[in-house]
Amino acid sequence: QKEVEQNSGPLSVPEGAIASLNCTYSDRGSQSFFWYRQYSGKSPELIMFIYSNGDKEDGRFTAQLNKASQYVSLLIRDSQPSDSATYLCAVTHSSASKIIFGSGTRLSIRP
Amino acid sequence: DADVTQTPRNRITKTGKRIMLECSQTKGHDRMYWYRQDPGLGLRLIYYSFDVKDINKGEISDGYSVSRQAQAKFSLSLESAIPNQTALYFCATSKGSSYNEQFFGPGTRLTVL
Repeated sequence: QKEVEQNSGPLSVPEGAIASLNCTYSDRGSQSFFWYRQYSGKSPELIMFIYSNGDKEDGRFTAQLNKASQYVSLLIRDSQPSDSATYLCAVTHSSASKIIFGSGTRLSIRP
Repeated sequence: DADVTQTPRNRITKTGKRIMLECSQTKGHDRMYWYRQDPGLGLRLIYYSFDVKDINKGEISDGYSVSRQAQAKFSLSLESAIPNQTALYFCATSKGSSYNEQFFGPGTRLTVL
């Protein structure tokens, strides 16, 4: 079992709709959770981080964390073509020394 | 703007050659990391350093070595490059807070023929 799992996609969402990206992790001691966006050939860019159960909103983005279910998600409201990218879920190892990345979900927003 | 830079951005080399990839940062962060990214495999940690005197192996350190010359500089070396080291390499930094969010450089695309 991978430490951080994501569906590779592609996930196709119509413009203006809500895109929902999901991630599960195996280390129950994980403390911090991150979502990165990566355009093809570019470096990962931090979008959001969350460390408490519940929701955290930033503009069109909402991160949701459920530690009991070991599940973290990212919602993108009013999806735009510029949101088309690969989204990487990352989890801080319980030792807090490093981050473990999922392999990413490719999101495509269709006009 | 405080930033993370990598040189070179692209490199093509031959099997058996020694290669050095360099990373510099002006963010003032203590922690620095080297990752490689291969299609479908996500980001894999090669080495990380929490300060100038601290070097740690990641999950795929074989065939690589690193040097932390200063707080702001962290270099990755391939002593004898092989074709399966062809990948996109990223340097990242973090402040060392308990949340440990990382910030990435632009990447180096390395091709080993």
